[in-house]
Amino acid sequence: DIQMTQSPSAMSASVGDRVTITCRASQGISNDLAWFQQKPGKVPKRLIYASSSLQSGVPLRFSGSGSGTEFTLTISSLQPEDFATYYCLQHSSYPLTFGGGTKVEIK
Amino acid sequence: EVQLAESGGGLVQPGGSLRLSCAASGFTVSSHYMSWVRQAPGKGLEWVSVIYRGAGTHYADSVKGRFTISRDNSKNTLYLQMNSLRAEDTAVYYCARDSSGPADWGQGTLVTVSS
Repeated sequence: DIQMTQSPSAMSASVGDRVTITCRASQGISNDLAWFQQKPGKVPKRLIYASSSLQSGVPLRFSGSGSGTEFTLTISSLQPEDFATYYCLQHSSYPLTFGGGTKVEIK
Repeated sequence: EVQLAESGGGLVQPGGSLRLSCAASGFTVSSHYMSWVRQAPGKGLEWVSVIYRGAGTHYADSVKGRFTISRDNSKNTLYLQMNSLRAEDTAVYYCARDSSGPADWGQGTLVTVSS
């Protein structure tokens, strides 16, 4: 099974900050990686698929990059509505595996 | 518009069984890969199972041999039959339509395994 290591597990940031979250795969997964945002009590929402493709309707301040084993989610200027938990997911092979999550909190 | 509505969750004793349903609208279930994903209280996301367009299936090791994914094309509905339930199966269960992984998600249904 492919293991996904996400870092950091939590972080504090201020509105307007540039935020970077990293996911590392235990083996190469090409660009088969997605990023999700989840707010408390809400359904996960996909932000990015195929490593860097922005889901329709997602603000342009979100971007994804990487291939192989190293991937990054970047929020260029953190907004109040972006405080949430973020998960990466590899969809290269079954079983699909999620990263452990990154909780982005207000500083 | 794609819509997914899970049902069938509830309280069940350890060792018991439950069948979850996911009614789909706005698309045809049989034309897509469909997944179940779960989230234990206060924990992260865990992928559970997938059914292919051709009805092939895959399962997480944690549920293999106990859970069965299926669909009824006439009802455009996805199912998850859960047997031999354990306390660690307690979670919100989401169904999802796959497109490069789970893309569109339902609201989820809570399964609680407890005596």
